[in-house]
Amino acid sequence: SAVISQKPSRDICQRGTSLTIQCQVDSQVTMMFWYRQQPGQSLTLIATANQGSEATYESGFVIDKFPISRPNLTFSTLTVSNMSPEDSSIYLCSVEDGTGGPQHFGDGTRLSIL
Amino acid sequence: LAKTTQPISMDSYEGQEVNITCSHNNIATNDYITWYQQFPSQGPRFIIQGYKTKVTNEVASLFIPADRKSSTLSLPRVSLSDTAVYYCLVGFMDSSYKLIFGSGTRLLVRP
Repeated sequence: SAVISQKPSRDICQRGTSLTIQCQVDSQVTMMFWYRQQPGQSLTLIATANQGSEATYESGFVIDKFPISRPNLTFSTLTVSNMSPEDSSIYLCSVEDGTGGPQHFGDGTRLSIL
Repeated sequence: LAKTTQPISMDSYEGQEVNITCSHNNIATNDYITWYQQFPSQGPRFIIQGYKTKVTNEVASLFIPADRKSSTLSLPRVSLSDTAVYYCLVGFMDSSYKLIFGSGTRLLVRP
């Protein structure tokens, strides 16, 4: 399965700032996803990012708060904008090769906002 | 309403078989059911995926009844290293298509 690397693995940020999280895959993939996992909770899909098109956001998530880029088939970024303590969470990217196989996940970015 | 339901936690002992069930009443017709294992500070790791009946791989089995409204992950002869949180992932057709993770089952395996 694909190897997914996320950077940074963790960060502590001041409120009002923005942070961009990178997701790099070792093979070309059709679909990339961004999730949020709050401490002790399950995963919630933020958006789906396909190369060459705008990201598709789930209810409750907007592009101004979570802009996403997908410049090629191996890379995506998620920016958490104008952060507040409520944004403290783990952000994970996952990939799917588009053939109906399962998603595979990176180890996430643990974000704390002071 | 798209929703999955899993037991919050389960306890077991080494060497026992563990069965974790996920209910998903409104699963999308053509969607697969996928199960993941997650350890602290790691991303979810794929265990098994199925559409109907039974699927088996080297680590688990997945049982899906004909109505596909639930699925059961079976872990044979668990060990201490199987202590983790287990999630089902299911697609639903509501007003639009949604992928939803279950709430997770925290499995504790005791010696």
